Amino acid sequence: AQTVTQSQPEMSVQEAETVTLSCTYDTSENNYYLFWYKQPPSRQMILVIRQEAYKQQNATENRFSVNFQKAAKSFSLKISDSQLGDTAMYFCASTGGGADGLTFGKGTHLIIQP
Amino acid sequence: GAGVSQSPSNKVTEKGKDVELRCDPISGHTALYWYRQSLGQGLEFLIYFQGNSAPDKSGLPSDRFSAERTGGSVSTLTIQRTQQEDSAVYLCASSSRLTGTLNTEAFFGQGTRLTVV
Repeated sequence: AQTVTQSQPEMSVQEAETVTLSCTYDTSENNYYLFWYKQPPSRQMILVIRQEAYKQQNATENRFSVNFQKAAKSFSLKISDSQLGDTAMYFCASTGGGADGLTFGKGTHLIIQP
Repeated sequence: GAGVSQSPSNKVTEKGKDVELRCDPISGHTALYWYRQSLGQGLEFLIYFQGNSAPDKSGLPSDRFSAERTGGSVSTLTIQRTQQEDSAVYLCASSSRLTGTLNTEAFFGQGTRLTVV
């Protein structure tokens, strides 16, 4: 079975700082996609960034970027110039598992302090 | 509609009663997922529908859980004889993902918070 592990249950940083959320995964597939989703208190899951496993270049979306280390099966999310609105649960997810769906980690609760 | 719609937003039920949770996916999306999110936990995969194919039910925790998708659109998740451990947020997602492909974004509804008392 595919697993996704997020080892940081909670993180807190000051506004404008840079923060990195870690994620490791375990899959036997050769082709898969990795995602970071954000879930604010409204419960609405929002896609933050996506990475295709066969692409070596790390994905970037404005203040959000990933560090994808395929050999290490690591997929960390870096948030630059953090803002109060970044406060949320962040979930790492992977496709390619036997369930043919997205497998999620347990999430990291990120708190941006003013 | 513009997004995935779930109803009700919140549901409180007595232990032993049956409940039905509804999901209206984005029009045209062939893939539909149900996940369960317990307090402090990640998203637990429950079931996956893809077009007219037989659903992947591998995540359903017990035979008290079932789901249907009528006409390839609306889906209903039914929990029979609810237990307190069924209390959680149930999230539905849809995507335009085709069978055998992996690159699609899943769009989520806001979930149904189920409380069994």
